[in-house]
Formats: sequence, structure tokens, C-alpha cells
Amino acid sequence: AQSVTQLDSQVPVFEEAPVELRCNYSSSVSVYLFWYVQYPNQGLQLLLKYLSGSTLVKGINGFEAEFNKSQTSFHLRKPSVHISDTAEYFCASSGGAGSYQLTFGKGTKLSVIP
Amino acid sequence: GAGVSQSPSNKVTEKGKDVELRCDPISGHTALYWYRQRLGQGLEFLIYFQGNSAPDKSGLPSDRFSAERTGESVSTLTIQRTQQEDSAVYLCASTARPAETQYFGPGTRLLVL
Repeated sequence: AQSVTQLDSQVPVFEEAPVELRCNYSSSVSVYLFWYVQYPNQGLQLLLKYLSGSTLVKGINGFEAEFNKSQTSFHLRKPSVHISDTAEYFCASSGGAGSYQLTFGKGTKLSVIP
Repeated sequence: GAGVSQSPSNKVTEKGKDVELRCDPISGHTALYWYRQRLGQGLEFLIYFQGNSAPDKSGLPSDRFSAERTGESVSTLTIQRTQQEDSAVYLCASTARPAETQYFGPGTRLLVL
């Protein structure tokens, strides 16, 4: 079974500072990886996804993530955060083509401090 | 429709009552998922529908939980004899194909008193 670990439950960071949210997944022959963001009182919105190809994936709102197969990681980064980035971020994996179930991490609450 | 919609947005009920939650997926999306999100937790998979195939109910926590879907449209999640531990946000998502991006609704916040 797939598993996803988000190492930090909460990450405070000052506005305009860089941030990295960590995610590790259990190894599989093939895996699709996702980052979703959840703003307060809203549903989840896709930030970016890795299906295949380039290991550096760019998403919306200036976020990017790097797929590292040897370290089974898919960390999310942003070089300069804004107040509006305050939200909860979820890493998720699926078992690749034909797999329909997403396994989510427990989430990381990003708090941007003015 | 433009996105996944869910109703009601909030539901307060008494312990022991039955509740029904509704999800309208994006038009044309063949796959529909239900998740539960407890306070401070990640998303728990509950059930998955794909076209006319038998649903995957492996995530349903007990026989008090059931879900139906009519064709490739609306789905309802029913919780019978609600318990306080059922309090959570119930999220619905749909996708055009398995393993593709899931589009989430805003959720139904259920509080069982």
C-alpha cells in the first residue's frame, strides 16, 4: 500500500522568505505525485503534479516541486512567500497509470508572518 | 457544471440521527470519490465510483456508511445512526480518468452533537 509522510505539521515563515515543505512517499514501481492546497474553509486545489518526464515540476502561484526517486521525496518549494500563501498543503500519491486511489499525507500548515 | 458542488455546506445533527450528503461532480467526469477529513488530519479515502463498475467501498469505516451514485452524475453519502466521531468535513472529488487530477468540492462540515 502507498503511504505519504509530511514531516512537518506546521511551518511558520516570514513574508518574502523561501519555504520548503517536505514530503516522502513509499516506494513503488511507478508513482504519480501531487501537491494540493487547502485555503481556510475551502476544498482542495491542485498546485502541481508529477506524472513522468522532468523531475522539476512547476505549478501555480510560483510553487515548484522536485521528484527525487532515490530519496523517495517530492518536496514543495517557493522562493518568496506571500501572506496569501497561508494555507494547508497536502502531498498525495497514486500508484501510477490505472490506479485510482490517492493516498494523502496529514498535511502541513504554512503560516506566513508579515 | 463549472466545478464540483456539495450540499449542504454545513450540517448539525444529533447523535443517532441519519444524515445524507450530496455531491454533484463536474459534468462528464466518470470517476467520483468521497473522503473524510477529521480536524487536524489528512484525508481518509471512503469510497470510489468509476462509471458503471462496482464501487470500491474499502475505505468505509463501518456499515453505518453507504453511498450511491446514479450513472455518472450525483452521488449521495449516507451515514446512519450518527456518532460524535463522525464529525468531520466530508469532501467529494471527481476526475475524468483514474490517476488524473481530482477536482474537489468545498466539502460538507458535519457536526454530531
